[in-house]
Amino acid sequence: GAGVSQSPSNKVTEKGKDVELRCDPISGHTALYWYRQSLGQGLEFLIYFQGNSAPDKSGLPSDRFSAERTGGSVSTLTIQRTQQEDSAVYLCASSLTRTLAGGPSDTQYFGPGTRLTVL
Amino acid sequence: AQSVSQHNHHVILSEAASLELGCNYSYGGTVNLFWYVQYPGQHLQLLLKYFSGDPLVKGIKGFEAEFIKSKFSFNLRKPSVQWSDTAEYFCAVNVNFGNEKLTFGTGTRLTIIP
Repeated sequence: GAGVSQSPSNKVTEKGKDVELRCDPISGHTALYWYRQSLGQGLEFLIYFQGNSAPDKSGLPSDRFSAERTGGSVSTLTIQRTQQEDSAVYLCASSLTRTLAGGPSDTQYFGPGTRLTVL
Repeated sequence: AQSVSQHNHHVILSEAASLELGCNYSYGGTVNLFWYVQYPGQHLQLLLKYFSGDPLVKGIKGFEAEFIKSKFSFNLRKPSVQWSDTAEYFCAVNVNFGNEKLTFGTGTRLTIIP
């Protein structure tokens, strides 16, 4: 079946502009995650959506970053007034809901990422 | 906050050599552990995962990892590597069963010389 898709695959923007990155999770997956992969660093958690619960925004680096998930499916990550340090690959992942509370985590399936370059 | 350390940043091996990539985490409670791989030009894929039970976990493509709780380690191993194993390998941990966000290590780049 179809995996996680992200668009655009590449985005070049000028400093100070706003950008929107899109993620389409695997159908039926209720959990959706955004991560950021910067040069020379590992993957950094940004935000997590689970069903209708309030999202965990604890990883967002500043108030210029926001994300929403409409209809429990597609998600958009928005970066306002982009800075050069925002340049990175932005990854989206999705997973099924755990069937048992306190049970093992479900595998997260990653998309191909959006490479953002801020000039 | 929890963290994950991958001490090997770049490993270069010849084909058929044995592989062990280190992964240590800092968290005293129950954890779920993962190894993900990113082949050149491809997206992250799950290699294997540990939730509970047998601490020796077998994954795809002949990889295995051993969870040693006393050492807070989850090292990845493969007895004989192939050129196609050239990739970047990421260890990750999930420590909060109410929130499944992953904390990743910085990754290990593996280069296999034919």
